[in-house]
Amino acid sequence: GENVEQHPSTLSVQEGDSAVIKCTYSDSASNYFPWYKQELGKRPQLIIDIRSNVGEKKDQRIAVTLNKTAKHFSLHITETQPEDSAVYFCAAPGDQGGKLIFGQGTELSVKP
Amino acid sequence: EAQVTQNPRYLITVTGKKLTVTCSQNMNHEYMSWYRQDPGLGLRQIYYSMNVEVTDKGDVPEGYKVSRKEKRNFPLILESPSPNQTSLYFCASSFTSGSINGELFFGEGSRLTVL
Repeated sequence: GENVEQHPSTLSVQEGDSAVIKCTYSDSASNYFPWYKQELGKRPQLIIDIRSNVGEKKDQRIAVTLNKTAKHFSLHITETQPEDSAVYFCAAPGDQGGKLIFGQGTELSVKP
Repeated sequence: EAQVTQNPRYLITVTGKKLTVTCSQNMNHEYMSWYRQDPGLGLRQIYYSMNVEVTDKGDVPEGYKVSRKEKRNFPLILESPSPNQTSLYFCASSFTSGSINGELFFGEGSRLTVL
């Protein structure tokens, strides 16, 4: 079945620096890769997603890149701010239509 | 307001006492799913439903049951809870007619403790 590995598990950066979180997946048929942000005590919320027909997608300070050959995708956050502090999850579809497999999560801490 | 509503939000129970966590969405979504969140393990899928009367196992279905008799509701049933089911549970829904390729809308979560 699909396996999604996410690294690092924790990441601490200074305000204004960039942060990069990486995920690898195992099923080469996967074609949709979302990223969710979960603030402390709250529900996960979608922040950006990418489909397999593109290699990069940007939305203001966040971007996602996809390398289908290597089967990995990354979240890039530029000019980090304290409100970016949260747990971030990547995900990829499983081997059945309704499965969505999440990575283990990355706890990002942005220090003022 | 578009939302996914879970109840109860917090529950402490004892081993073996059957319980149900309800989930309801008002967005007319076809797809609904249950996840559990444990430290270091991320979000693990328990069960999902592609539509009414269609349910399937996720990665960690043991000890859980679900039903989808109506489009808006997807209850999670723990017939005989055990301490290893102590966790934070999330219900989620999405508008999809096939494989997952769109946003999942999560409920606020239900924190369950089994003593």
